[in-house]
Amino acid sequence: KQEVTQIPAALSVPEGENLVLNCSFTDSAIYNLQWFRQDPGKGLTSLLLIQSSQREQTSGRLNASLDKSSGRSTLYIAASQPGDSATYLCAVRWDGTASKLTFGTGTRLQVTL
Amino acid sequence: SAVISQKPSRDICQRGTSLTIQCQVDSQVTMMFWYRQQPGQSLTLIATANQGSEATYESGFVIDKFPISRPNLTFSTLTVSNMSPEDSSIYLCVSGGLFHDEQFFGPGTRLTVL
Repeated sequence: KQEVTQIPAALSVPEGENLVLNCSFTDSAIYNLQWFRQDPGKGLTSLLLIQSSQREQTSGRLNASLDKSSGRSTLYIAASQPGDSATYLCAVRWDGTASKLTFGTGTRLQVTL
Repeated sequence: SAVISQKPSRDICQRGTSLTIQCQVDSQVTMMFWYRQQPGQSLTLIATANQGSEATYESGFVIDKFPISRPNLTFSTLTVSNMSPEDSSIYLCVSGGLFHDEQFFGPGTRLTVL
């Protein structure tokens, strides 16, 4: 069964810290992996998309890596800010699934002053 | 990137009634999808909205409960029929091309069923 898991479920860090969010998936035959941010009561904002052939993607203070062989992706957030507080979701599109995304349960991040 | 709008943004409905959610994309897209996010849960795909033909439903979701229309490449509707409190969720419209890999989410419709 194709599943996506995110650990930890919640994380609290002081402002300025660098942090890593983890995403693991059960089937290495992925087409791509996408990281999203969700603010309370809101929709999803796409952060980074990593294609199957890529190892990492960067956008500003965010860096996402992909290791298909180990079934893992990480989202690295540098110099965290209170505005980074949100739930972070990773979603996998597997080969042959016609754009269907399978989501992890998310990591709820709180960055404190 | 595509900009997606949904109406209504939220609603409170009575048990047994139906609600139709509209999704408008600012550009033509090949694929449109509807997801559900139940309280405290992650997102689950309901169906793929196919332009000019019947939607493709995921396991556990049926057309009688969630009829979907997609009359053109920029618009889709999802109806939640004969609602019960278990249907209280956020419903999200998503767009993406088959080969335009990044998928974009609408702001969601927060539905509460009493």
